[in-house]
Amino acid sequence: RKEVEQDPGPFNVPEGATVAFNCTYSNSASQSFFWYRQDCRKEPKLLMSVYSSGNEDGRFTAQLNRASQYISLLIRDSKLSDSATYLCVVNNRGDSNYQLIWGAGTKLIIKP
Amino acid sequence: ETGVTQTPRHLVMGMTNKKSLKCEQHLGHNAMYWYKQSAKKPLELMFVYNFKEQTENNSVPSRFSPECPNSSHLFLHLHTLQPEDSALYLCASSPGQGPDTQYFGPGTRLTVL
Repeated sequence: RKEVEQDPGPFNVPEGATVAFNCTYSNSASQSFFWYRQDCRKEPKLLMSVYSSGNEDGRFTAQLNRASQYISLLIRDSKLSDSATYLCVVNNRGDSNYQLIWGAGTKLIIKP
Repeated sequence: ETGVTQTPRHLVMGMTNKKSLKCEQHLGHNAMYWYKQSAKKPLELMFVYNFKEQTENNSVPSRFSPECPNSSHLFLHLHTLQPEDSALYLCASSPGQGPDTQYFGPGTRLTVL
């Protein structure tokens, strides 16, 4: 089983729709969670951290379910500019260091 | 944005060549990272430096050799690479080696012939 799994997509969604995707992680001791966004041929950039109580940033809502070991990202009123690959990232604490474990990403295509 | 810069942006090299990738961060961070990104695969962490000291080497072949002369600069020296090493190589930095946001450079697209 992969440490961090994502549906690769692509998700083809009409503009204005709501889209959600999940990410599962295998290490129950994982401590922090993030969503990064990567545009085509660009570098990843932090979209939002994911907090235990869930958090919202404008049209984006992130949720964490520790019992089932998944995190989710919800995008409301999707825009053409939301088209990108969304990377789920889990932070595990080793003996002395933290290490980010990356998912392979979910590709989202917003259509006019 | 010029927080983390990488040169060159594109590199084509033969298997017998020696080349180096350069990364520079202007964010005052203490930790720097090299990642490899291949198509449809997760980012693979290669090396981590914290305060110029290497703290992680994720079983990377010796044909990849990192160098960190100071907290702002990171190099990846390449020699006798294989075609399967063709990928996007991303440099990142973070304030420390904790659960901090990582800031990425634009990457070097490497093709090994």
